[in-house]
Amino acid sequence: DIQMTQSPSSVSASVGDRVTITCRASQGISSWLAWYQQKPGKAPKLLIYAASSLQSGVPSRFSGSGSGTDFTLTISSLQPEDFATYYCQQANSFPPFTFGPGTKVDIK
Amino acid sequence: QVQLVESGGGVVQPGRSLRLSCAASGFTFSSYGMHWVRQAPGKGLEWVAVISYDGSNKYYADSVKGRFTISRDNSKNTLYLQMNSLRAEDTAVYYCAKGLEQWLVRGAYYFDYWGQGTLVTVSS
Repeated sequence: DIQMTQSPSSVSASVGDRVTITCRASQGISSWLAWYQQKPGKAPKLLIYAASSLQSGVPSRFSGSGSGTDFTLTISSLQPEDFATYYCQQANSFPPFTFGPGTKVDIK
Repeated sequence: QVQLVESGGGVVQPGRSLRLSCAASGFTFSSYGMHWVRQAPGKGLEWVAVISYDGSNKYYADSVKGRFTISRDNSKNTLYLQMNSLRAEDTAVYYCAKGLEQWLVRGAYYFDYWGQGTLVTVSS
């Protein structure tokens, strides 16, 4: 199975800050990676797929990059509604589809 | 608009069975692979199972293989998860999720719409 790791596990930031989250796969997954946002008590929401493609309706302050084993999610200017937990997910090989452990973005 | 509504969760004793349902609307259900993803209380996301658009292909996480069965009824636009021999570690919110793109396209393995989730608690 492909293992996914994320760093940091949590980050404290202020509105307007640039936030970068890293995801690493245990083996190469080309660009088959997605990012999700989850708020407490809610279902996850797809933000980015294929490493860098912005899902319809997602604000352009979210961007993704990377390929192979190393990926990043960047929020260019953090907004109040962006405080949430973010997960990466590999779609290169299955079963299983694996998620990273999550990165919690909270208010500094 | 796309809607996924899960039902069937509840409290069940270890070793017993439960069947979850996911009613889909707002898209051509019979064209998309569908997934179950779960989240234990306070934990991260764990993919559980996927079924192809026509039900001919099914894949499972090792943690549920042999105990859970995913199925679908395209005439009813409904996805199911039959859960047998339940264990305490199966306690979680179970989400159904739609593949982003149609089956056999790699985008089918991203999840673009999710239900609200249904809580399954396995406890004596």
